[in-house]
Amino acid sequence: AQKVTQAQTEISVVEKEDVTLDCVYETRDTTYYLFWYKQPPSGELVFLIRRNSFDEQNEISGRYSWNFQKSTSSFNFTITASQVVDSAVYFCALSEGLYNQGGKLIFGQGTELSVKP
Amino acid sequence: NAGVTQTPKFRILKIGQSMTLQCTQDMNHNYMYWYRQDPGMGLKLIYYSVGAGITDKGEVPNGYNVSRSTTEDFPLRLELAAPSQTSVYFCASSLDKWAQETQYFGPGTRLLVL
Repeated sequence: AQKVTQAQTEISVVEKEDVTLDCVYETRDTTYYLFWYKQPPSGELVFLIRRNSFDEQNEISGRYSWNFQKSTSSFNFTITASQVVDSAVYFCALSEGLYNQGGKLIFGQGTELSVKP
Repeated sequence: NAGVTQTPKFRILKIGQSMTLQCTQDMNHNYMYWYRQDPGMGLKLIYYSVGAGITDKGEVPNGYNVSRSTTEDFPLRLELAAPSQTSVYFCASSLDKWAQETQYFGPGTRLLVL
């Protein structure tokens, strides 16, 4: 069965620290897609990144980087030199199958990141 | 481009009342979705639609109804509100049905049933 686990419920760091948010997924499909979304205190969901199962290259975007490892079924998210504006709930999500009827997303429980000045 | 818009932002309902949560997207997306987010939890799919006139159930459809008469609009109806429906509701859309399509979310509607 498909499942996404974000074991860290809450993380608190001081500004400028690096922080890694963990995401572990379960799927029987060989084709799947992984996503990260950010939910700031204002409540909306902001798309951050999409990664497909055939591309294990790590990705870096400014202070954000993502490490995808199929061997451990993990798709971890690292924020370098964290800032107060990074405070939010972060969700990892999974979409299975090349042809996913309805494009259903399966979400993890979310990790609440608090960055203190 | 406004993206996905939702109204109202916040609503308090009494048990047994009904209401419709509105969702509109202006990106000409075929697929639309309704999710609910309970405190400390991820989002769970209520209903989705693959195009005008076509809807299907998600993981938690009980107590809700949907319709899709146009590409742009996808309202969610609560017929007999119950405290268990207290949640934040998100509408989302994506261009097509493929698993790799990114879903874009509206700002959410916070619903409190007392």
